[in-house]
Amino acid sequence: GAVVSQHPSWVICKSGTSVKIECRSLDFQATTMFWYRQFPKQSLMLMATSNEGSKATYEQGVEKDKFLINHASLTLSTLTVTSAHPEDSSFYICSAKATEAFFGQGTRLTVV
Amino acid sequence: AQTVTQSQPEMSVQEAETVTLSCTYDTSESDYYLFWYKQPPSRQMILVIRQEAYKQQNATENRFSVNFQKAAKSFSLKISDSQLGDAAMYFCAYRFQGGSEKLVFGKGTKLTVNP
Repeated sequence: GAVVSQHPSWVICKSGTSVKIECRSLDFQATTMFWYRQFPKQSLMLMATSNEGSKATYEQGVEKDKFLINHASLTLSTLTVTSAHPEDSSFYICSAKATEAFFGQGTRLTVV
Repeated sequence: AQTVTQSQPEMSVQEAETVTLSCTYDTSESDYYLFWYKQPPSRQMILVIRQEAYKQQNATENRFSVNFQKAAKSFSLKISDSQLGDAAMYFCAYRFQGGSEKLVFGKGTKLTVNP
């Protein structure tokens, strides 16, 4: 199957700083990528749909100024958590659609 | 809006036995896909099986099969000859064939496999 690489796998940052998470489709082009957030022992919650060359579409309740998404190429989407706070600590997962949705390994973000 | 319901938060099965995980969904669309994803402790999401709504035949992938009842909007996953490596969270998901094609997930079922 297709491979989606997400980096970093885990990151610890200080409150008030920004963190960038990368999602790459390694062997296919993805015009659409998705960003999810997963709290412990819960399901995946869609945050936004990232479209190459255009603005992301955010789900209701997701702050687009806090969670900046850029999809500058057909193989790369980035999620930047700006001015991170402890409540932003979570597991973030990206997926890219080829014939199916393939998922990255996820990023565990801890804000201290 | 489409919703996916998994009514079993946790299930357990003995190794080599069979277990069925339940999933129901709600949609007014006729053209869609249904999926079962596995999330082991590594938290990597792995596609287990998919079903196209227009296909009457139930999908099968080795030890994994589904019982797709379109009229009842039911999509259960059967795991035969359960193995220790099957232990994971299992998520049922729906995708409308159109628009952004985003996935809608159920809350998940934690499967424990007892040796």
